[in-house]
Amino acid sequence: DVKVTQSSRYLVKRTGEKVFLECVQDMDHENMFWYRQDPGLGLRLIYFSYDVKMKEKGDIPEGYSVSREKKERFSLILESASTNQTSMYLCASGRTHPNNEQFFGPGTRLTVL
Amino acid sequence: AQSVAQPEDQVNVAEGNPLTVKCTYSVSGNPYLFWYVQYPNRGLQFLLKYITGDNLVKGSYGFEAEFNKSQTSFHLKKPSALVSDSALYFCAVRDASGGSYIPTFGRGTSLIVHP
Repeated sequence: DVKVTQSSRYLVKRTGEKVFLECVQDMDHENMFWYRQDPGLGLRLIYFSYDVKMKEKGDIPEGYSVSREKKERFSLILESASTNQTSMYLCASGRTHPNNEQFFGPGTRLTVL
Repeated sequence: AQSVAQPEDQVNVAEGNPLTVKCTYSVSGNPYLFWYVQYPNRGLQFLLKYITGDNLVKGSYGFEAEFNKSQTSFHLKKPSALVSDSALYFCAVRDASGGSYIPTFGRGTSLIVHP
């Protein structure tokens, strides 16, 4: 059974802390994505990666960075967490060709106090 | 540019009745279209996709979707709704000619099936 796993389901952090969200996929997918999901706003793309060490900004990259040192792992980093980064974070992976669907992790609900 | 619209924030249907969740799209070339479902506190799960060929696509859990090129729509349907179908549904599009890695998602439609 194919899987995308995320390191935490729920996370509570304080303002100013550095936060790491980890995502691992076991499908040998080239592409990996980080989204945040907020009520009424749908999914918004933060960053994506199409290969190891390669990354591109999505729609809302401000306040975030990413790391992809290995093909199966894609990390999202909040350099200095703020309360407006309280959200559900979803990781996804997929093959390069655009007719391929994405596979999503279970999500991390992050609360920044 | 590519875009997708889900005109209804919420759809209410009685159990046993047919359901439709609407999606319209805009792409400059041909579309690849996807439906995903999200149950509470879970990630998105792929339901079905349209690539080419038959306009009626069948997917998981008894869902199907009809591709209509002239109306640029890809509505999700099910003949008989179940209470367990209550969830958030997302439509997504990729432009086949653009070769983009990135799909565009709609804002989601909350489906509520009443017993």
